Amino acid sequence: DGGITQSPKYLFRKEGQNVTLSCEQNLNHDAMYWYRQDPGQGLRLIYYSQIVNDFQKGDIAEGYSVSREKKESFPLTVTSAQKNPTAFYLCATRGRGNQPQHFGDGTRLSIL
Amino acid sequence: SQQGEEDPQALSIQEGENATMNCSYKTSINNLQWYRQNSGRGLVHLILIRSNEREKHSGRLRVTLDTSKKSSSLLITASRAADTASYFCATDPRGSTLGRLYFGRGTQLTVWP
Repeated sequence: DGGITQSPKYLFRKEGQNVTLSCEQNLNHDAMYWYRQDPGQGLRLIYYSQIVNDFQKGDIAEGYSVSREKKESFPLTVTSAQKNPTAFYLCATRGRGNQPQHFGDGTRLSIL
Repeated sequence: SQQGEEDPQALSIQEGENATMNCSYKTSINNLQWYRQNSGRGLVHLILIRSNEREKHSGRLRVTLDTSKKSSSLLITASRAADTASYFCATDPRGSTLGRLYFGRGTQLTVWP
C-alpha cells in the first residue's frame, strides 16, 4: 500500500538485543495497528493505537513495546523479552467509521 | 474467540474454474471484510459487506453473508493464475469502539495455468 511504509523489509536480531520496526503513514488515519504473522496462524494483534499518545495492548503484547508520538508514526520495538521473535510483522491503519484497514508490505524479522 | 475461521485451509484449482472460500464467526458483527495477501506482501482489502447486506459483487468477486448462520462466502469466478494468494476474512464486532478487526487464519488458493 503506497500510503504506508514499513522499514526495514528484512531485519536480523541478535540474542539480548532490542530492535525497532518502523511504520509511517501519509493517509491521515487516526488508528494504527501492529500484527504478527506466523505460518498457519493468520494475523495476531500486538498493539493498536486509536489516537496520538494513546495505545492499547492486543492479544500478544508481551515482549513488545510501542509509542505514538505523532499521527504519522507508530514504531514497534521487539525487546529481548520476546523469546521467539521470528515472524512477519505487518502494520496497518484505519480511517474513521467502519472502514477497511490498509496494510504496509511488512518486515520480516529473523534471529541471528 | 471473535476471529473468523476460513474453510478450506487450502484450495487448488485450474484457471477458468470458480473458487469458493467460506468464513464462519461467533459474534454479532457490524461488517465482515475479505482481504487478499500475495506471498511476502501486506494484505489488500477486497470487499466489505455490512450486517444488513446479504450479497455484494465487485468485478469477479461475489460475497455473501448469512448472519443467522454467522457465515460468509467469497466466490472468485473464472479464476486466473494471478489470483493465487491467501485470502482472509475479518470481522468487525458489533458494539466495539476499539476499531480492531479479528482475522481468521486464511485460505491458501493456488490457481494452476
